[in-house]
Amino acid sequence: DQQVKQNSPSLSVQEGRISILNCDYTNSMFDYFLWYKKYPAEGPTFLISISSIKDKNEDGRFTVFLNKSAKHLSLHIVPSQPGDSAVYFCAATTPYGGATNKLIFGTGTLLAVQP
Amino acid sequence: DTGVSQDPRHKITKRGQNVTFRCDPISEHNRLYWYRQTLGQGPEFLTYFQNEAQLEKSRLLSDRFSAERPKGSFSTLEIQRTEQGDSAMYLCASPTGDRDNYGYTFGSGTRLTVV
Repeated sequence: DQQVKQNSPSLSVQEGRISILNCDYTNSMFDYFLWYKKYPAEGPTFLISISSIKDKNEDGRFTVFLNKSAKHLSLHIVPSQPGDSAVYFCAATTPYGGATNKLIFGTGTLLAVQP
Repeated sequence: DTGVSQDPRHKITKRGQNVTFRCDPISEHNRLYWYRQTLGQGPEFLTYFQNEAQLEKSRLLSDRFSAERPKGSFSTLEIQRTEQGDSAMYLCASPTGDRDNYGYTFGSGTRLTVV
């Protein structure tokens, strides 16, 4: 039962253009969402997050959009840079009522930014 | 110490051998998580500690796996009688500690290869 889904295994974008990575979730109890970036042989690195009370959060070149009714979130990177090439994971959790606050991850999208 | 340290970074073992990994979480954080990532998958939750108490275990954690966190500081994850299916990256994480950020800081992971 995949509660967090990233249906695009890979994405290729030209440097300077916008990268849009998508994520869908099925569990309506999730109320906090995160994006992580991962390089090979390293642990995931936190990128940006959003609470369910918001529909947008922006941090520099990175913006996360949340559509609760569609159970969908997306990460926009603009402009894309070659150093952004990595695997991006979407994750979700229920921090406000659960004791564990474990993150549930999607399967990831490999982003390749072409110079 | 502002990061999560894991040791070793890489481990190659023969099938049937026992292995033990260590995690040193961010100082003064009472919560610690272990995750496993296999090829093509996102990180999957294994277990959670609050101080020295192991409060939740995933069904992925078979009887061959045991995790401890003596004194609520560092943690160890032991796999007995390793199998080829145990080959994965094992990740340890602490909460970021930032107010209103419910994400984790991950260590660099231990890459286990069972031959």
